[in-house]
Amino acid sequence: SQTIHQWPATLVQPVGSPLSLECTVEGTSNPNLYWYRQAAGRGLQLLFYSVGIGQISSEVPQNLSASRPQDRQFILSSKKLLLSDSGFYLCAWSGRVGDTQYFGPGTRLTVL
Amino acid sequence: DQQVKQNSPSLSVQEGRISILNCDYTNSMFDYFLWYKKYPAEGPTFLISISSIKDKNEDGRFTVFLNKSAKHLSLHIVPSQPGDSAVYFCAASAGTASKLTFGTGTRLQVTL
Repeated sequence: SQTIHQWPATLVQPVGSPLSLECTVEGTSNPNLYWYRQAAGRGLQLLFYSVGIGQISSEVPQNLSASRPQDRQFILSSKKLLLSDSGFYLCAWSGRVGDTQYFGPGTRLTVL
Repeated sequence: DQQVKQNSPSLSVQEGRISILNCDYTNSMFDYFLWYKKYPAEGPTFLISISSIKDKNEDGRFTVFLNKSAKHLSLHIVPSQPGDSAVYFCAASAGTASKLTFGTGTRLQVTL
């Protein structure tokens, strides 16, 4: 069966510091991968998605970037965090475009 | 522009009764709809989906109804159980689009 992992589970970072969140998927190959953010009191906003190694599509302009160095690894990064980057970050995978997406456990990021 | 709307931020239902969660959408290109359940500090869990070629899909206690002409879908949970207490998100996608557009969620509280 497929499983999706995210770490760390929680993170507290000062403004201006870098960020690296990692997501890995097991039990499938060539998944589509997604990064979402849920800000307080709001729905889930798609940040990035990837249909293959090195292929990243950005949905909204922002202070964040994503990379996919391996087939089942998806990384969310920032060079300098802003207060507005605080939120709950979720990684998801699907078997193909337009298919059901399955989510990881999430990372709670607090920028102080 | 909120293309997927969940106008009820919260709902309280007695155990054993029916819970009805509603979702409206504005984009006529959406053709695949999903419901997710989310507990605090966890990733959303996929519950049930429906394609636009159907108007009803049932899975155990969960039934999703789709009214394309009204651009409205609903999730029925019957009978409701205390463990159903969570935030429920509806989501929609269009054809082969990679993007899921989420509503802002409805918090369901099932009381004893």
